[in-house]
Amino acid sequence: AQSVTQLDSQVPVFEEAPVELRCNYSSSVSVYLFWYVQYPNQGLQLLLKYLSGSTLVKGINGFEAEFNKSQTSFHLRKPSVHISDTAEYFCAVSGFTGFQKLVFGTGTRLLVSP
Amino acid sequence: EAGVAQSPRYKIIEKRQSVAFWCNPISGHATLYWYQQILGQGPKLLIQFQNNGVVDDSQLPKDRFSAERLKGVDSTLKIQPAKLEDSAVYLCASSLEASGYNEQFFGPGTRLTVL
Repeated sequence: AQSVTQLDSQVPVFEEAPVELRCNYSSSVSVYLFWYVQYPNQGLQLLLKYLSGSTLVKGINGFEAEFNKSQTSFHLRKPSVHISDTAEYFCAVSGFTGFQKLVFGTGTRLLVSP
Repeated sequence: EAGVAQSPRYKIIEKRQSVAFWCNPISGHATLYWYQQILGQGPKLLIQFQNNGVVDDSQLPKDRFSAERLKGVDSTLKIQPAKLEDSAVYLCASSLEASGYNEQFFGPGTRLTVL
């Protein structure tokens, strides 16, 4: 079974500042890793995913994440945030084989202020 | 391409009443998921369908929750009778296939309040 820990429930940041949202996972098998974003009163939207290959993954809206197998982490970063990035961000993991379900973390609320 | 559709968007009921949610996935997507998202938590998978068969319902409270996906397209999730702790957003998602690497596309959700 897999699990995900998002260490920060809320991250306040000023506009144009860099941000990092932390995610650690636990699994006994190889995994796929995902970051989803949820804007108020909307469903989840995929930001980026790591399947294999390069450990640095680039996604939409200027976000990127780095897979670190030794530290079992998949932290999300953006060099300069905008007000419109205010949202809830979820890290998720699924296993490699069979009908693998997506297991989500508890989410990190990113609050961008002027 | 049309996204995942859900209705209703909001529902308020009293405890012990019944309620049903509807989901129409993206055309051609074989796999359909229902998630429960309680305030302050991440989504939790309730049930997963592959076409019209159930793949995983290990976290579905089967004494009160039921779901079906007739003809492998639309799906309905029902709660009967509802409890206060069922207050949550119910998200439907779909993907091309059930493999772990497939992107899941989410609908806007149904916010259920049980009084």
